[in-house]
Amino acid sequence: NAGVTQTPKFRILKIGQSMTLQCTQDMNHNYMYWYRQDPGMGLKLIYYSVGAGITDKGEVPNGYNVSRSTTEDFPLRLELAAPSQTSVYFCASSPGTGVYSNQPQHFGDGTRLSIL
Amino acid sequence: GQQVMQIPQYQHVQEGEDFTTYCNSSTTLSNIQWYKQRPGGHPVFLIQLVKSGEVKKQKRLTFQFGEAKKNSSLHITATQTTDVGTYFCAGYTGNQFYFGTGTSLTVIP
Repeated sequence: NAGVTQTPKFRILKIGQSMTLQCTQDMNHNYMYWYRQDPGMGLKLIYYSVGAGITDKGEVPNGYNVSRSTTEDFPLRLELAAPSQTSVYFCASSPGTGVYSNQPQHFGDGTRLSIL
Repeated sequence: GQQVMQIPQYQHVQEGEDFTTYCNSSTTLSNIQWYKQRPGGHPVFLIQLVKSGEVKKQKRLTFQFGEAKKNSSLHITATQTTDVGTYFCAGYTGNQFYFGTGTSLTVIP
């Protein structure tokens, strides 16, 4: 059982480039999340999804986009990379049904992204 | 906006000493979770508290949720080197989890 898998693990981008961070989970969880973690800081919620076809903004959504076409996958898209987006990005999933979930979250290993 | 603050930001202890981290929210929380993140790793779920005044124990770890459901604490008795890492609280309100800034624990052998 792989849990939550994120790719790539590391990436360096130039300002203005775009990329997609991949996230997939094999636990059949309805809820999926994207967080960013800046050095010495907590996690800030970027976007979340309560199920396939449904996404919503978190605390810091500007500069990012997401889609959720399947239960398993929740990619995060950066369209015009900026230095302020240098961070570690974590994807997570949790079980539950309904409009919200307060269940434990299972995290992937993270993607370390630098924008120069 | 919603804020969840944690103190202290850093804590260095001698092995065998106790350790406590505190989490405070500006608003009432539905529930609170605690996570541990080892250096270079990802957050790992430790426990969830739901009821006002709730206390839960996991071996040397004691978790408390305040009566007003706006604060929480994690206490580790007799720290070990395996306790090293950053401890985060995550408060649930308004359909979202808000993570605290974390407390980084260093244990000196």
